[in-house]
Amino acid sequence: AQSVTQLDSQVPVFEEAPVELRCNYSSSVSVYLFWYVQYPNQGLQLLLKYLSGSTLVESINGFEAEFNKSQTSFHLRKPSVHISDTAEYFCAVSFNSGNTPLVFGKGTRLSVIA
Amino acid sequence: GAVVSQHPSRVICKSGTSVKIECRSLDFQATTMFWYRQFPKQSLMLMATSNEGSKATYEQGVEKDKFLINHASLTLSTLTVTSAHPEDSSFYICSAPTYRVANYGYTFGSGTRLTVV
Repeated sequence: AQSVTQLDSQVPVFEEAPVELRCNYSSSVSVYLFWYVQYPNQGLQLLLKYLSGSTLVESINGFEAEFNKSQTSFHLRKPSVHISDTAEYFCAVSFNSGNTPLVFGKGTRLSVIA
Repeated sequence: GAVVSQHPSRVICKSGTSVKIECRSLDFQATTMFWYRQFPKQSLMLMATSNEGSKATYEQGVEKDKFLINHASLTLSTLTVTSAHPEDSSFYICSAPTYRVANYGYTFGSGTRLTVV
């Protein structure tokens, strides 16, 4: 079965500390991988995505994620977090083709503590 | 580019009434629209997939007679919650794939917070 797992439901971290949000997937077909961020009562904003090529992808606000095919993972990292990074983060996977819906993990609540 | 506009952003309705949520693709033709529901502090769950000009495909457990989806044009998909009840209160989000018009990906509406009282 195809699925996405975010093991950590909540991650508290102090400001300026590094953080890693974990995402693993299960699939028998090729995948495209995404990370989205959601602020309270808002829609989803794309952070970054992996389609092909370099396995390390970066966002404009300092986040990065690395696609690891052997471990079927796409963990999200940031070397130094800010208060404004407090939000819900969703890992999502597209299986097969461009016209199939995204499958979302359960989300990880990142809380940055001053 | 590839923007989906979703309205209303918030709606409060009385139990037993119907509510329509619209998602419009502003600068591209969305032949497919995915509809998700998100309960508080939970993930997005796919409800149905609509394709322009054909009947929507519903996920298991989603009542098609309760959640009516119409995709009559290439720029508009609607979700109507019929005879709404408090348990239908949720955050509804639409999403369209953008591989036809941009790099592979998906664009999302800003969501609709439905509260049934």
